[in-house]
Amino acid sequence: DTEVTQTPKHLVMGMTNKKSLKCEQHMGHRAMYWYKQKAKKPPELMFVYSYEKLSINESVPSRFSPECPNSSLLNLHLHALQPEDSALYLCASSSNRDSGYTFGSGTRLTVV
Amino acid sequence: AQSVTQLDSHVSVSEGTPVLLRCNYSSSYSPSLFWYVQHPNKGLQLLLKYTSAATLVKGINGFEAEFKKSETSFHLTKPSAHMSDAAEYFCVVSDHRGSTLGRLYFGRGTQLTVWP
Repeated sequence: DTEVTQTPKHLVMGMTNKKSLKCEQHMGHRAMYWYKQKAKKPPELMFVYSYEKLSINESVPSRFSPECPNSSLLNLHLHALQPEDSALYLCASSSNRDSGYTFGSGTRLTVV
Repeated sequence: AQSVTQLDSHVSVSEGTPVLLRCNYSSSYSPSLFWYVQHPNKGLQLLLKYTSAATLVKGINGFEAEFKKSETSFHLTKPSAHMSDAAEYFCVVSDHRGSTLGRLYFGRGTQLTVWP
């Protein structure tokens, strides 16, 4: 298995809702990442997990809450989002920096 | 500090003609460099990577890139464009080569259009 799987592919949520994005990989990668991508822009790093511990938080608002239950799973819990949070959310994993990252196909999030 | 400059925001070519997407980088370390492709509403797919081995790197779908340290460049080329190559391309540099932890630095992207 050489893929990163993200679910759901599309999500529409209201500003008072709570939802979660899920990411799974079975390549044995020990680093996992969340990126946010707005239209016509490059991805922006949100969080990095290394060996299931949060290593980097790029000053992301607390309405985004990451979780890494085990070495294969990464979640992003969403609560009280704003319309400007609408974007493509990408998960990625890597074994080391030289190998490059493997990206999932993303979750297209719309906040209404 | 690491940074990436993609010199063209849009490139248009005819099918069957060569493709050149330009990228310059700045890095405090010996860099690892990558090109990723993103088709509409899709994730990013790794095309090729440079990690201090051969300076001419071959990737998937007929793409190549040449690492030129003296010019701090890592341009992406393909001899003959195909309609399916139409997509957004990102040049990326990483820090802390050899380490798991760290981050990627993305260029702004180049939109490649292929005309029939």
